[in-house]
Order: sequence, then structure tokens, then C-alpha cells
Amino acid sequence: EAEVAQSPRYKITEKSQAVAFWCDPISGHATLYWYRQILGQGPELLVQFQDESVVDDSQLPKDRFSAERLKGVDSTLKIQPAELGDSAMYLCASSLAGDEQYFGPGTRLTVT
Amino acid sequence: GDSVTQMEGPVTLSEEAFLTINCTYTATGYPSLFWYVQYPGEGLQLLLKATKADDKGSNKGFEATYRKETTSFHLEKGSVQVSDSAVYFCALNPWGAAGNKLTFGGGTRVLVKP
Repeated sequence: EAEVAQSPRYKITEKSQAVAFWCDPISGHATLYWYRQILGQGPELLVQFQDESVVDDSQLPKDRFSAERLKGVDSTLKIQPAELGDSAMYLCASSLAGDEQYFGPGTRLTVT
Repeated sequence: GDSVTQMEGPVTLSEEAFLTINCTYTATGYPSLFWYVQYPGEGLQLLLKATKADDKGSNKGFEATYRKETTSFHLEKGSVQVSDSAVYFCALNPWGAAGNKLTFGGGTRVLVKP
């Protein structure tokens, strides 16, 4: 069964450092999402891509966060510099034309 | 803006007990409604969905009915198993939204004891 892949699964970094997460969606899924899930809360959408274009990044803190999906396939989410409040689970999801979203296992980030 | 409110957990049950998780929403028009489940160490999985008023979504013994009059989408299961222990999220996709822009509730942790 096809799955959304994410790496790394866990990341510990010091504040002010740069950190990057990678996501490989299910083959053929044009829509890709990045969510942030703070412990004990529901996921919040950070950015949505349709192919290589950003559809919605209204909740992305653009002063420190960036996301790209250069070839419309895999995607990278970067934080620079990381802050203590960025500690969270970062989830990637993909879907076919706005249908059901399939989630990856997530990257758990701890900023010290 | 749109929002989803779920009952707080944890909910602790014995095996074969009846499970209800309350979910209410605030949104304009007729959003699509979803329940997702997150097992320990895993990503979210779609459990069931309903796209219009009075629709009933069902899967793996779980059910939820879209109630427009009470803006609710409560999740129920008649006889839970230990394997149902997980965190359950209610979510909505706004009416007329381009693409699938999900707004999630805070999640409800369910623990089923043997």
C-alpha cells in the first residue's frame, strides 16, 4: 500500500539553528500539505501545494519558515532560526484533487 | 472563522463498552465533516466522513451522523476493543472550499482497558 514518507522521524535541535524536514507524497498526488501539531492539540495547516505552486500559506510564519516543492513531487519544510515554541509534530499529507488526505508518520521536533 | 470543538479526554473505557465522542462545529453553509484516528506513533487515518446534512458515515464499527440543526457530528461505537485505543480528531472542510482545507478539533484520547 502506498504511503506518505517523512524524514527524519525525530529531530532535536538547539534554538537559533536551522532545521529541515522532508516529505515524499504518494505517487500521483498533486496536492501536498504541511501541518503543525502541538502536543495535545489538533493539526494546523501551515502550507498547501498544488503541484509545485503554493495554494495557501496564510498560517506559515514566513519570517522563519519556508517550504518548497520544486518539481511538484517531494517537498521540504525549513525553519531558520528555530525557536523553543517550534517544538511540535510536523505532519505531511497528500491527496488526489482535493479528495481524502493521506498522512505521513510525522517528524517530532524538539528545540532546546 | 470556522472551528471544531471536541470533548476533552482522556476517555477511559472497559472492553465492550459503548463509546461516544462529542463533536460540534461552527461554520457557514454546509461543510464536509470527518473523523480521523491517530494510533500511537503513527500519522492520522481517515475513519469516516459525511458530506451533507443527515448523512451517516460508518467504518470499522464506528458511526457518526451529520446533524445540521445541532451542528454536531458525534462519533459512536457500540462495543470497543483494546485496539481502539487512540486519539480521535473531528475535522471539517469548509463549504465551497477549493481543495480540502481541514480544520481540526483538539483531539480526544481514548483508552480501552481489557
